Amino acid sequence: DTGVSQNPRHKITKRGQNVTFRCDPISEHNRLYWYRQTLGQGPEFLTYFQNEAQLEKSRLLSDRFSAERPKGSFSTLEIQRTEQGDSAMYLCASSWESGPGSPLHFGNGTRLTVT
Amino acid sequence: AQSVTQLDSQVPVFEEAPVELRCNYSSSVSVYLFWYVQYPNQGLQLLLKYLSGSTLVESINGFEAEFNKSQTSFHLRKPSVHISDTAEYFCAVSENNAGNMLTFGGGTRLMVKP
Repeated sequence: DTGVSQNPRHKITKRGQNVTFRCDPISEHNRLYWYRQTLGQGPEFLTYFQNEAQLEKSRLLSDRFSAERPKGSFSTLEIQRTEQGDSAMYLCASSWESGPGSPLHFGNGTRLTVT
Repeated sequence: AQSVTQLDSQVPVFEEAPVELRCNYSSSVSVYLFWYVQYPNQGLQLLLKYLSGSTLVESINGFEAEFNKSQTSFHLRKPSVHISDTAEYFCAVSENNAGNMLTFGGGTRLMVKP
């Protein structure tokens, strides 16, 4: 168990640019989640996958946000035309869905700064 | 829609003193309740959870939380804290049919002083 890995750790970009983050979940986990955390707040749910199927995406913040998990392994989160308000920590988590309350294992996050 | 309120953003406490971190939630349906902890420079990790059954749940490192349905609360307590408990603690809730989509509170930073 090598844990959930997120890359890059930090990303600085100019307003209007596109950014993509990668998440590698724990290998046997079938569920993968994306959250966003702004300073002083708790994580905010964005979307999740079971295997390669995206089961919930209505909470993505706008149509500039999209996520994929093409082969049911790693996932990417893309933000197009970034805005300063997108600056935040983006967290990925994975779990093995074995019943209610399966614990989520979080990565250390990708910190995005939009200048 | 569900929401979680953690009333204290910071709780300073001396080592070996008791501590309570408060959490209240609102939801129109049955929920599962969780406490996650984030130690400095680490990712969030599950501390304990309530799914059903006994309303008092415990963690392996001495924390406990009690589900109180009438007060819609899930406060976290420890009778004697250690320096190593210094961390940020997040209360979270998921609706029973919501696929483990967690709604988090704003977090409470526990600062244990020697």
